[in-house]
Amino acid sequence: KAGVTQTPRYLIKTRGQQVTLSCSPISGHRSVSWYQQTPGQGLQFLFEYFSETQRNKGNFPGRFSGRQFSNSRSEMNVSTLELGDSALYLCASSSGGVIETSTDTQYFGPGTRLTVL
Amino acid sequence: AQSVTQLGSHVSVSEGALVLLRCNYSSSVPPYLFWYVQYPNQGLQLLLKYTSAATLVKGINGFEAEFKKSETSFHLTKPSAHMSDAAEYFCAVSVLNTDKLIFGTGTRLQVFP
Repeated sequence: KAGVTQTPRYLIKTRGQQVTLSCSPISGHRSVSWYQQTPGQGLQFLFEYFSETQRNKGNFPGRFSGRQFSNSRSEMNVSTLELGDSALYLCASSSGGVIETSTDTQYFGPGTRLTVL
Repeated sequence: AQSVTQLGSHVSVSEGALVLLRCNYSSSVPPYLFWYVQYPNQGLQLLLKYTSAATLVKGINGFEAEFKKSETSFHLTKPSAHMSDAAEYFCAVSVLNTDKLIFGTGTRLQVFP
């Protein structure tokens, strides 16, 4: 099975612009989660989508949004970019449902490194 | 609220030595715990997970972790370090009935020849 893929891998933007990141989950996985990784704040949960619905949301401003398509692919959008948005954005997929089943593990993609100048 | 604490942001060992990376958790309910590894410029790779089936969990690459409820710990160990183990390691706990993971701050493992 192919793993989680994220595009693009690297992105450079300037303050005030907006950006869209894409994530394709493992085939058959219905849940996609997004995380932000920075040296200062570490790994922080952004949001999770399951069957095209946002199921959980982290503590990020409204500039951060996402969506999921019927084929489970997900996009994340950041509007009005700030310097502090520079980070590695990681996408993870799982089969979905509740995590009580031992097979329901999150698998991460390689990430998109966003640099805001 | 659930959380994890990783003691030691950097750990250095010699090749062939024991690796011990510490993780303590806080949870009001039985937790589901994970260890992930991140190599430079890559995403996170799952090493192992605890979901209450067995307290000693074996993972990939020779790593294992033991869940100790009395100590609220889930330390990661490997009997003999290899140069290729040099990476950053993250302990995480899942929020009950969700896919949301709460990560520790990470421990960077250096392996010297």
